[in-house]
Amino acid sequence: DAKTTQPNSMESNEEEPVHLPCNHSTISGTDYIHWYRQLPSQGPEYVIHGLTSNVNNRMASLAIAEDRKSSTLILHRATLRDAAVYYCILSHTTSGTYKYIFGTGTRLKVLA
Amino acid sequence: DTGVSQDPRHKITKRGQNVTFRCDPISEHNRLYWYRQTLGQGPEFLTYFQNEAQLEKSRLLSDRFSAERPKGSFSTLEIQRTEQGDSAMYLCASSLQGKLAAYNEQFFGPGTRLTVL
Repeated sequence: DAKTTQPNSMESNEEEPVHLPCNHSTISGTDYIHWYRQLPSQGPEYVIHGLTSNVNNRMASLAIAEDRKSSTLILHRATLRDAAVYYCILSHTTSGTYKYIFGTGTRLKVLA
Repeated sequence: DTGVSQDPRHKITKRGQNVTFRCDPISEHNRLYWYRQTLGQGPEFLTYFQNEAQLEKSRLLSDRFSAERPKGSFSTLEIQRTEQGDSAMYLCASSLQGKLAAYNEQFFGPGTRLTVL
């Protein structure tokens, strides 16, 4: 299974941009890159996903390296509500199913 | 609230007892997933349904675990003869298969926290 590597924790000041890195050197050509986050005492929630091109949505931006071996989730202005564990996931295809292989994620702390 | 509900939210049981959890997915979603999450770790995939068919099971799902999704709606996860190592958060997620199958955003429920004494 293709795996991802993320820093265990990061800190950011409120209202500053945050760049959360992820390495996925064994990614295959058809694997999508997904980011989910998990707030305390909740299930994970979708943030963004992409394949090859950079992606933007109302929550964040996803920058994907040209060789696809790494990606970066960008929160443009961190708020206290963004404090969570952020997971970088490769969607793993097995016989047409798409199970997620989560790593340990990055715990983001946002300082007021 | 993602629209995926799980019941109960918390369960405390004694070792050796059987427990059953329920997941109600978003109504039009045809895919349903179960994950297990232990403290400090990311969720681990357990099993997956496409409608009522259970299509994949992880090696983590021992023969004490069984999952069903009758009529392709809600799902149950049963653990027989619980062990202390079964203590974890059990998460359910659902998704809708799209034209591009990899666009398979999963909506997670709040989880059921199991404590085995």
